[in-house]
Amino acid sequence: AQKVTQAQTEISVVEKEDVTLDCVYETRDTTYYLFWYKQPPSGELVFLIRRNSFDEQNEISGRYSWNFQKSTSSFNFTITASQVVDSAVYFCALSDPNAGNNRKLIWGLGTSLAVNP
Amino acid sequence: GAGVSQSPSNKVTEKGKDVELRCDPISGHTALYWYRQSLGQGLEFLIYFQGNSAPDKSGLPSDRFSAERTGGSVSTLTIQRTQQEDSAVYLCASSSRTSVGTQYFGPGTRLLVL
Repeated sequence: AQKVTQAQTEISVVEKEDVTLDCVYETRDTTYYLFWYKQPPSGELVFLIRRNSFDEQNEISGRYSWNFQKSTSSFNFTITASQVVDSAVYFCALSDPNAGNNRKLIWGLGTSLAVNP
Repeated sequence: GAGVSQSPSNKVTEKGKDVELRCDPISGHTALYWYRQSLGQGLEFLIYFQGNSAPDKSGLPSDRFSAERTGGSVSTLTIQRTQQEDSAVYLCASSSRTSVGTQYFGPGTRLLVL
């Protein structure tokens, strides 16, 4: 069965600390996509990244980086030098192989990150 | 270009009344999704429209919930005989064939049933 697990429910860090949000997935599909979304206190979900299962290269975007490891079925998200504006709930998601080209997503329960000044 | 829009932003209703929530997807997006998010919780999938195909209604919690999508664009989620447990944020998202499942979300409708 397809499943996404975000074991960390809440994380609290002090500004400028690095923080890693874990995401572990289960899928029977050989081709799939993984996603991260950010939901700030304002409530609107913001797309951060999509990763193809065939591309295991790590990605860096400014202070954000993602580590995709098929061997451990993980797609972890690291924020370097965290800032108060990073405070949000972060969701990891996996594409549903049964849903065709426009895929349904299977969502983790989210990790609430609080960055304190 | 314009993103996904939802209306109303907030809706307060009395138990037992019907409500309609509207979603305007990004122009050209063929897929549209409705989710429900209760306070402090994750996303609960409700329904998924893909082009002209029959919608995937597998997430609708009861027969009080229904949704339609007219002309492959705007969608309306209707909740009949609202209950207090229906209070939540209702999120709409859309995606295109080229975005390979990437969903773009609207700001949500906050529904409060008194």
